[in-house]
Amino acid sequence: AQTVTQSQPEMSVQEAETVTLSCTYDTSESDYYLFWYKQPPSRQMILVIRQEAYKQQNATENRFSVNFQKAAKSFSLKISDSQLGDAAMYFCALQGAQKLVFGQGTRLTINP
Amino acid sequence: SQTIHQWPATLVQPVGSPLSLECTVEGTSNPNLYWYRQAAGRGLQLLFYSVGIGQISSEVPQNLSASRPQDRQFILSSKKLLLSDSGFYLCAWRWGDHSPLHFGNGTRLTVT
Repeated sequence: AQTVTQSQPEMSVQEAETVTLSCTYDTSESDYYLFWYKQPPSRQMILVIRQEAYKQQNATENRFSVNFQKAAKSFSLKISDSQLGDAAMYFCALQGAQKLVFGQGTRLTINP
Repeated sequence: SQTIHQWPATLVQPVGSPLSLECTVEGTSNPNLYWYRQAAGRGLQLLFYSVGIGQISSEVPQNLSASRPQDRQFILSSKKLLLSDSGFYLCAWRWGDHSPLHFGNGTRLTVT
């Protein structure tokens, strides 16, 4: 079975600062992908970043980067230079064969 | 380009009434299709997924069902709604086993 755990229900950060959201996962598959999705108040699900498990290099998308620790089954998201528009629910997700499983989410608040 | 349409956006139904939510994808063929449910303030629960016409996999035994009558059409149904069926329902698609999911705008269902 695949599981994804986000241990931080809520996080807050000052505008322009850096914040890290945690995610751990468990899977018996060797070929899988990891994602971070953002869900703003509109509830639209927006892909933030993806990581292929076979790649050792951490993925980066502008201000968003991940720290992928495969042996520890950890996949954290770092947001640099936080902006007010980053306020949202953030979901970590694990993609195995056919199915995508989500964590419970972390609500991120940006303080101006 | 590919687009996904999900309707209705909002629905209020009495307990015991039937349900039909529809999702269609344009601009691609043979997509993998998914139905997720999100309870208030919580993560996404996978309900059903389909890798082809007439092929439905159920993740959670309940009074909901899904059908895929056409390649790019995915329908979520119930014969008799329960109060516990209230939530935010999201349809999603992807092409291939490891590409990211693309989500519809969701349906907010309230069962009264």
